[in-house]
Amino acid sequence: EVQVVESGGGLVKPGGSLRLSCAASGFTFSSYTMNWVRQAPGKGLEWVSSISSSNTYIYYADSMEGRFTISRDNAKNSLDLQMNSLRAEDTAVYYCGRGTITMVRGVIRHWYFDLWGRGTLVTVSS
Amino acid sequence: SYEVTQPPSVSVSPGQTASISCSGDKLINKYACWYQQKPGQSPVLVIYQDNKRPSGIPERFSGSNSGNTATLTISGTQAMDEADYYCQAWDSRIVVFGGGTKLTVL
Repeated sequence: EVQVVESGGGLVKPGGSLRLSCAASGFTFSSYTMNWVRQAPGKGLEWVSSISSSNTYIYYADSMEGRFTISRDNAKNSLDLQMNSLRAEDTAVYYCGRGTITMVRGVIRHWYFDLWGRGTLVTVSS
Repeated sequence: SYEVTQPPSVSVSPGQTASISCSGDKLINKYACWYQQKPGQSPVLVIYQDNKRPSGIPERFSGSNSGNTATLTISGTQAMDEADYYCQAWDSRIVVFGGGTKLTVL
């Protein structure tokens, strides 16, 4: 079955750290970009970070830059998100997503997510 | 930074056509895609590259992009289409989501 499964969520105190993982199966992991998107309770989707298939491109949303680190292991079909200096506003369901990019004349024109996991809840509270 | 804007809510009667807009500066120069999210579920891609449907998505879902506005159209809307819909675009080095539109099928 083609799927991605997140793990590692939980309750953490402000200023603490947490490492999320995403296990992929059923597709050629090394051929796809991988991504993290989060959703605070009752709110909309918010992009967190993306990494290209061979680590060539790594991007972060401004509010996560410097605090979060995305990484992947193509040999293990896994994606990680190391989150440091966590704040209450980081409380959300974190989704792992498989992504596809469209290049036009060598420039990325489209980056979208065609497979999502069920998410893992991160709660930052004292 | 780039932003895209959606109406917070849209209502439609069963069997009618629903249109959800997504506005952004010169959005025509970017590709837009759309996700459907039902309560308690993960998002599902319903349109990518402005107007392409992934396999398994019903033909009643279509998309367009012109000028500053991308549009998701649902023809013959069914009760099962009631959900939140998010548009998304790529700008330079960032992924941009719209705030979401709650589609109510009355």
